[in-house]
Amino acid sequence: QVQLQESGPGLVKPSETLSLTCAVSGYSISSGYYWGWIRQPPGKGLEWIGSIYHSGSTYYNPSLKSRVTISVDTSKNQFSLKLSSVTAADTAVYYCARQFPLLAYFDYWGQGTLVTVSS
Amino acid sequence: QSALTQPPSASGSPGQSVTISCTGTSSDVGGYNYVSWYQQHPGKAPKLMIYEVSKRPSGVPDRFSGSKSGNTASLTVSGLQAEDEADYYCSSYAGSNNLGYVFGTGTKVTVL
Repeated sequence: QVQLQESGPGLVKPSETLSLTCAVSGYSISSGYYWGWIRQPPGKGLEWIGSIYHSGSTYYNPSLKSRVTISVDTSKNQFSLKLSSVTAADTAVYYCARQFPLLAYFDYWGQGTLVTVSS
Repeated sequence: QSALTQPPSASGSPGQSVTISCTGTSSDVGGYNYVSWYQQHPGKAPKLMIYEVSKRPSGVPDRFSGSKSGNTASLTVSGLQAEDEADYYCSSYAGSNNLGYVFGTGTKVTVL
């Protein structure tokens, strides 16, 4: 069974960089699929942030592209998200998920982690 | 990035059917057969219910069905049950050199 688990600070100060990691178990990232990040502000809808292939190829939401970096560490079977220059508008539950190629549906999701941007 | 348009709410009595629409453009919903639907209960992660317009993952009841016509996709829940009360989001591939992947605005389904 594929399982994903997000980890990282739950509180980030404005203008700093948000960093999250998603650990994958039950499936090798190197075996294929894309791996993505999705966020959901409190009480609002889902927003795709970006996705990465095990080779390192990335696709980003154009509205966030200038601030987002997604990387993969196949040796640890995990992938990571960095979002720079955060503001209160970046406060959200952040999910990681497995995505069928190419940028199709997300079939396995992590439980999500709330990140609050506040001083 | 423009989200796909869904009605904010829909409702039906137990046993009835409810249909949710998802309107996009020829650059996303209308351009590819990669529409998917997710169910989200409060405080939980989204769950894939439909992929590639009308396919159901293993374990999803056949009460859930999907279709597409032009730039609009639809999710129908037949024989509504209390546990179907949730938020539903559509999504679509939108071109790797374009918007990438887009979600709908979400629909709250209430079982009366």
